Amino acid sequence: QKEVEQDPGPLSVPEGAIVSLNCTYSNSAFQYFMWYRQYSRKGPELLMYTYSSGNKEDGRFTAQVDKSSKYISLFIRDSQPSDSATYLCAMTGWGNKLVFGAGTILRVKS
Amino acid sequence: KAGVTQTPRYLIKTRGQQVTLSCSPISGHRSVSWYQQTPGQGLQFLFEYFSETQRNKGNFPGRFSGRQFSNSRSEMNVSTLELGDSALYLCASAPEGFRDEQYFGPGTRLTVT
Repeated sequence: QKEVEQDPGPLSVPEGAIVSLNCTYSNSAFQYFMWYRQYSRKGPELLMYTYSSGNKEDGRFTAQVDKSSKYISLFIRDSQPSDSATYLCAMTGWGNKLVFGAGTILRVKS
Repeated sequence: KAGVTQTPRYLIKTRGQQVTLSCSPISGHRSVSWYQQTPGQGLQFLFEYFSETQRNKGNFPGRFSGRQFSNSRSEMNVSTLELGDSALYLCASAPEGFRDEQYFGPGTRLTVT
């Protein structure tokens, strides 16, 4: 069983939709949670970073962490075609080794 | 502030050869981590360097090695290349490392034939 599970998609939504991306994890040592966006043939771009249970909002993006359920989510409001990319969740404990989910491919149709 | 840079961007090598990849972190960042990304295994941690010392290591064979210089620039070396080493190799930098946000470079795409 993988430490981090993420639905690979692809997820296809119309422009303007609310997108929900999710990851579950099994390692209780994970304390810091990140979401990255990766466009084709590019490196991952950090979108959100959080370390406490609850919600963190940044523009159209909201990261949600539920440590009791070992579940994290990223919500994208008013999705745009430019949001089409692969979204990766990542997490770490006390060290600096990031453990990534497999990534969810998102397509926003105009 | 300039981002993380990696050179070369693309590389083609033959089985059995060795390769060296280079990473320049964001100015002021002292931690450099390396990751391998493949379609089958996703993103996997290789190792992390901080102040010229390897601080963390992933589960890769000894053919994969790295080093960090006093200016925080880092190199990664893969010896005796295998076909399965074909991947996107990504470098990430962070200010100090522990619990810091990591910023990725564009990667080096290595193809082994």
